Amino acid sequence: DTGVSQNPRHKITKRGQNVTFRCDPISEHNRLYWYRQTLGQGPEFLTYFQNEAQLEKSRLLSDRFSAERPKGSFSTLEIQRTEQGDSAMYLCASSPQAGLDTEAFFGQGTRLTVV
Amino acid sequence: GENVEQHPSTLSVQEGDSAVIKCTYSDSASNYFPWYKQELGKRPQLIIDIRSNVGEKKDQRIAVTLNKTAKHFSLHITETQPEDSAVYFCALRDYKLSFGAGTTVTVRA
Repeated sequence: DTGVSQNPRHKITKRGQNVTFRCDPISEHNRLYWYRQTLGQGPEFLTYFQNEAQLEKSRLLSDRFSAERPKGSFSTLEIQRTEQGDSAMYLCASSPQAGLDTEAFFGQGTRLTVV
Repeated sequence: GENVEQHPSTLSVQEGDSAVIKCTYSDSASNYFPWYKQELGKRPQLIIDIRSNVGEKKDQRIAVTLNKTAKHFSLHITETQPEDSAVYFCALRDYKLSFGAGTTVTVRA
């Protein structure tokens, strides 16, 4: 499968625990995005990488959230001290470098449930 | 992100009828307007997109129109089928995608 891959697919955690998600983009894609989607809403932008550089973080991304893309390939999203409001689907997407009018491909997402 | 208004939030149509979803936006710098379809429990998938130098684009039963002056774009699905039932999102892009809230389309057999 050469698409965007996310792991794990599902995560149930207790409030206050830390969780980490992984995204493997399509191999030649320089741009990587993280989105959060709650039921009945469209995906909300969290953060964006071009290669290993994190170029923007949404104000939705509190200090408890951190994302990395150390070698410009896979990325991780960590949530510290999880809260029930963090329960959502976390989607990763990637797109090639060329132009701003290229398709972004989404992964299957990681569904987080905080109990 | 950019403000993208999408209407209606739900749409129920009889099989074979047409469905139209409209989106308006405020950012005049956007030049790329994709539409995504998301089935329950699955990832959003691109179904059609349009660039700002084009006013209309068609792909079989799906068409998109763009009016950059008025800052709105629309998705048209003709001859709807039960498998068209899903949530549809409009989006616009500068370097990131900004999504509308989605339209839940139900096609009644």
